Amino acid sequence: KNEVEQSPQNLTAQEGEFITINCSYSVGISALHWLQQHPGGGIVSLFMLSSGKKKHGRLIATINIQEKHSSLHITASHPRDSAVYICAVGTSGSRLTFGEGTQLTVNP
Amino acid sequence: DGGITQSPKYLFRKEGQNVTLSCEQNLNHDAMYWYRQDPGQGLRLIYYSQIVNDFQKGDIAEGYSVSREKKESFPLTVTSAQKNPTAFYLCASTIYNSGNTIYFGEGSWLTVV
Repeated sequence: KNEVEQSPQNLTAQEGEFITINCSYSVGISALHWLQQHPGGGIVSLFMLSSGKKKHGRLIATINIQEKHSSLHITASHPRDSAVYICAVGTSGSRLTFGEGTQLTVNP
Repeated sequence: DGGITQSPKYLFRKEGQNVTLSCEQNLNHDAMYWYRQDPGQGLRLIYYSQIVNDFQKGDIAEGYSVSREKKESFPLTVTSAQKNPTAFYLCASTIYNSGNTIYFGEGSWLTVV
């Protein structure tokens, strides 16, 4: 079993839909990261959180430390949101453990 | 603008040859990382460095080597000992550790022919 599990693996939505991607982890963490990878391969950091909730534009990330679970929400989805979304957890020190990613496709 | 620069973007290598991937950052970050990404798998850690002149093996270090002679540079050499080197390689950095925002380069595609 992977230390970081994401669901779903693939997600297709219509423009305007509310989207949720889930991440569960099995280890103690110092922080959880949500990342976005575009088709060209480059990765950008969306959120880093260790508790509660963060919001940036149409993106919202939440984390429940007791349940070892995080969700990434996208409101009013748009085709430009199509990408791979990756959850990663930081344990002690410098190491990060990555989920396998969720491929999101938003159709117009 | 500050960021991480990886080069080359695309690289072809013949079997038996070593190749070096460049990673340079001007973010003044202490920690730098090399990851490998294969289809359908999460990123896997090859090597990381928390300070100049020091680095540690990650989960899949066999067949790879690194150096950290300068704070801003962390080159990765894929040696001929790496059995399956064709992959996408990503360099990343953080200020100190995994509790800080992580920044990635654009990646390098390595194909062995």
